[in-house]
Amino acid sequence: QQPVQSPQAVILREGEDAVINCSSSKALYSVHWYRQKHGEAPVFLMILLKGGEQKGHEKISASFNEKKQQSSLYLTASQLSYSGTYFCGTATFSSGSARQLTFGSGTQLTVLP
Amino acid sequence: DAGVIQSPRHEVTEMGQEVTLRCKPISGHDYLFWYRQTMMRGLELLIYFNNNVPIDDSGMPEDRFSAKMPNASFSTLKIQPSEPRDSAVYFCASSFSGGANYGYTFGSGTRLTVV
Repeated sequence: QQPVQSPQAVILREGEDAVINCSSSKALYSVHWYRQKHGEAPVFLMILLKGGEQKGHEKISASFNEKKQQSSLYLTASQLSYSGTYFCGTATFSSGSARQLTFGSGTQLTVLP
Repeated sequence: DAGVIQSPRHEVTEMGQEVTLRCKPISGHDYLFWYRQTMMRGLELLIYFNNNVPIDDSGMPEDRFSAKMPNASFSTLKIQPSEPRDSAVYFCASSFSGGANYGYTFGSGTRLTVV
């Protein structure tokens, strides 16, 4: 089942902060976050694992609430380069395998100068 | 590393024709995924392989779709015959150890247009 992302779109000025949310109705093994720019492939940003471990390589932070099966992506002091569509991808236990991701519908982020 | 390589980048074909999309994963990655992206349905998983073996093809929409991975460095997705509703961007992605613990690396995608 597809995770639910909110908001669908957000517009902000350079330097402002944004939060993107992702929620699932199923128990999650991990949550991934990706950013896709127009006409390009999704690019991996961060992964959050059950148990709190977090792996990422950009100046972006995220949280994972295991009780609520929710994750939030925090973009602080946004830059023009942050513009794009952000997707969360979730791996659940219900499928019998924690290998495959189901992606949300995306949040379109636009950063204006 | 050259990343995940897909070909062709763009494909325009007539309804009823056979279409073959190609993917070369990152060397050392043992999982390969095929996704389809449309405005209406977003990113949908079609099929994935582990060590060249198809694990889950429940996302393949119809028997017109087939995928193979003859070796660790090559995979194909074939549509025969193609229909206009197959028009989409098809992404191949690879990962190490399943991707649930590590991120996916996506290829640049193949934009398929069936007229």
